Amino acid sequence: AQSVSQHNHHVILSEAASLELGCNYSYGGTVNLFWYVQYPGQHLQLLLKYFSGDPLVKGIKGFEAEFIKSKFSFNLRKPSVQWSDTAEYFCAVRASGNTPLVFGKGTRLSVIA
Amino acid sequence: EAQVTQNPRYLITVTGKKLTVTCSQNMNHEYMSWYRQDPGLGLRQIYYSMNVEVTDKGDVPEGYKVSRKEKRNFPLILESPSPNQTSLYFCASSLFQGGGGYTFGSGTRLTVV
Repeated sequence: AQSVSQHNHHVILSEAASLELGCNYSYGGTVNLFWYVQYPGQHLQLLLKYFSGDPLVKGIKGFEAEFIKSKFSFNLRKPSVQWSDTAEYFCAVRASGNTPLVFGKGTRLSVIA
Repeated sequence: EAQVTQNPRYLITVTGKKLTVTCSQNMNHEYMSWYRQDPGLGLRQIYYSMNVEVTDKGDVPEGYKVSRKEKRNFPLILESPSPNQTSLYFCASSLFQGGGGYTFGSGTRLTVV
């Protein structure tokens, strides 16, 4: 069965710092990859997704992610974080075919002024 | 507005008292799913439905039931709730299982005492 690992449980950054959140998955075949964000007290919202094509994917709010097939990774990046980026971030993977979306355990990001 | 609607948002109940959490989507999505979110465990899938009258177990189905009599509705039923089912529950839908990202409902925070 596929699994998703998010290495950082809690990341604390100052405003304007650069962000990179790690995501690795275990599945050798074709995958669809997603990053979701959950702001405090809210539901999950899609940040970006990768299905095929350019491995560098740009999402909303200045986020981007790079799919590196050889490393089974899909890391999320943002050049300069803002206080409003404080949230929990979930990586999710779906193997091709009739399989459900599998989520990582999430990374909590706290941005301090 | 395209959305997934869950009710109630908050629920406190006693052990053993049957309850139903409703989920409805207005996007004509075929695929619907229930997740529970617990600290440190991320999102875990309870049940999912590929289409009307088609449901299947996710990773943590014990103690839950679902039904999919109509395309738009996918209620989650706890026949005899127990304290270990205290959690935050999310309903999600997508056009079909492989169809892009999921749209999530706003969540139901359930406390079983």
